[in-house]
Amino acid sequence: AQKVTQAQTEISVVEKEDVTLDCVYETRDTTYYLFWYKQPPSGELVFLIRRNSFDEQNEISGRYSWNFQKSTSSFNFTITASQVVDSAVYFCALSGPSNTGNQFYFGTGTSLTVIP
Amino acid sequence: GAGVSQTPSNKVTEKGKYVELRCDPISGHTALYWYRQSLGQGPEFLIYFQGTGAADDSGLPNDRFFAVRPEGSVSTLKIQRTERGDSAVYLCASSLRGWAGGDEQFFGPGTRLTVL
Repeated sequence: AQKVTQAQTEISVVEKEDVTLDCVYETRDTTYYLFWYKQPPSGELVFLIRRNSFDEQNEISGRYSWNFQKSTSSFNFTITASQVVDSAVYFCALSGPSNTGNQFYFGTGTSLTVIP
Repeated sequence: GAGVSQTPSNKVTEKGKYVELRCDPISGHTALYWYRQSLGQGPEFLIYFQGTGAADDSGLPNDRFFAVRPEGSVSTLKIQRTERGDSAVYLCASSLRGWAGGDEQFFGPGTRLTVL
């Protein structure tokens, strides 16, 4: 079964602090894909990153970075020097190979509030 | 705009009524997905179309829910005999291929359904 756990329900940080959002996943597939999406107050899910199971390289994009560790089944997301505009709900999602369907399995999300 | 659009943005109906929710995917995207998001939860998969056919409808909660995509573009999610528990935000997403696995999904703004 596919499952994503985001244990942090809500996080508050003061602007300019770094914050890490945790994501732990479960799957029996050897090929799978992990995603992070941002859902701002406007409600529309915005794609942030995709990672496939064969690529464990960490990635940095501006203030955002992602740490993928297959050994611990985790795909954590760090925002450096947080800004008020980062306030949103962040979802981690998992999908399997094409022969198992392409639906995403989402975690319950982490609501991040950045206080000015 | 070139994004996924959904209409209506809000729908209020009475228990027992029939509703239709429409999704217009990104032009050229062959895969289309419907999800349901309840308050404080992550999106939950309902159905996935590859072209005109429903490739996976395992997420539809019961036979009151049905979706079509007759021409491989616009899709309609239909809910019969609505119940209060159907109240949620219904999200539509599309992706370029779907069949390859791991496609980034582009989400629409959602339709907020309220069943009184």
